[in-house]
Amino acid sequence: DVKVTQSSRYLVKRTGEKVFLECVQDMDHENMFWYRQDPGLGLRLIYFSYDVKMKEKGDIPEGYSVSREKKERFSLILESASTNQTSMYLCASSLGGGATQETQYFGPGTRLLVL
Amino acid sequence: AQSVSQHNHHVILSEAASLELGCNYSYGGTVNLFWYVQYPGQHLQLLLKYFSGDPLVKGIKGFEAEFIKSKFSFNLRKPSVQWSDTAEYFCAVNAENYGQNFVFGPGTRLSVLP
Repeated sequence: DVKVTQSSRYLVKRTGEKVFLECVQDMDHENMFWYRQDPGLGLRLIYFSYDVKMKEKGDIPEGYSVSREKKERFSLILESASTNQTSMYLCASSLGGGATQETQYFGPGTRLLVL
Repeated sequence: AQSVSQHNHHVILSEAASLELGCNYSYGGTVNLFWYVQYPGQHLQLLLKYFSGDPLVKGIKGFEAEFIKSKFSFNLRKPSVQWSDTAEYFCAVNAENYGQNFVFGPGTRLSVLP
């Protein structure tokens, strides 16, 4: 079974702080994704990465950056947290490598509260 | 751009009732279709998926979904729900010409009353 883990289940930060959310997958997947989940809006893609050191903006990248230094690890960074970034953050991975029938596997999520 | 709509925001059923959750997508090309479920306090898990072949796909826990290409729909069904089916359900689409991106619907919250 694919396992996707996220460093924290719950996080409380103050406005202006720099926040790091870490995600690790153990299935040698090429693709990794960061979403935020908000009530009534479903999942919205922030960034994804299809290879080490490669990244692509998703639908809502503003206020976020990402880092992928190793294949198994994908970090989401909030440079200066703001209250409108209070949300549930979900990491996912998929096989990639040109596969046409992809399935995403999700981590447990990090619920971030910015005060 | 792709979009996914789910017809109902919140559905309330009694146990043993039949369930149908609607999902429509906007992309006209070849698509891969998914239903994910999120039980309270748990992570998103794959319920079922359609890539090709038989448009009626069966998933875990007695769920099934039917892909109707002419209607751009992928509705989720279960003949008899249980209290344990209380969860949020998300439809997702990946278009083969849209790269690696998945587009998710806004979700439908299902509450099953015992």
